[in-house]
Amino acid sequence: KAGVTQTPRYLIKTRGQQVTLSCSPISGHRSVSWYQQTPGQGLQFLFEYFSETQRNKGNFPGRFSGRQFSNSRSEMNVSTLELGDSALYLCASSPQGYEQYFGPGTRLTVT
Amino acid sequence: KNQVEQSPQSLIILEGKNCTLQCNYTVSPFSNLRWYKQDTGRGPVSLTIMTFSENTKSNGRYTATLDADTKQSSLHITASQLSDSASYICVVSGGGSYIPTFGRGTSLIVHP
Repeated sequence: KAGVTQTPRYLIKTRGQQVTLSCSPISGHRSVSWYQQTPGQGLQFLFEYFSETQRNKGNFPGRFSGRQFSNSRSEMNVSTLELGDSALYLCASSPQGYEQYFGPGTRLTVT
Repeated sequence: KNQVEQSPQSLIILEGKNCTLQCNYTVSPFSNLRWYKQDTGRGPVSLTIMTFSENTKSNGRYTATLDADTKQSSLHITASQLSDSASYICVVSGGGSYIPTFGRGTSLIVHP
């Protein structure tokens, strides 16, 4: 099976802009989670979607949002970008249970 | 507050040597503990997953142990290889929340 894919892999944006990141889970996986990884904070949970519904949400401002489509593909959006949003954004898919499979991530740089 | 502390923060060893990484957590009630390996610039890859009833889990040269009473876990790497150079992250789930708690990771460098 193909692994989790994320697009784009790298992105440079300017403060105040918005960005949309995409994640395609492993075929058959219905749960998709998003994480932010920075050197200072490590990995932090953003949100989780299951069958097009947001099931869990981490402690991030409302500028961070997401959605999941009927084919389980997911997108996350960050509006009004700030310098502190520069990070590696990781997507992970899961069939059920505890196992999660991570994608390669999208490296976002905000200037 | 749920917390996961990993030690050491970084570690340098010679190829062929063994090493042990530590993970202490305060998450309660406990659900499961996972160890991930993350190469630079790539997503984490799962090494082991342990639930409350498991105290040892192996994956090749990687062996994880869990002591749920003391809330401690360790990851032992045997006969290290250059490709083991990576960050190792401990993740604990539970505490009445789906949201997992991540450790900051241990950066391992294996020198030839």
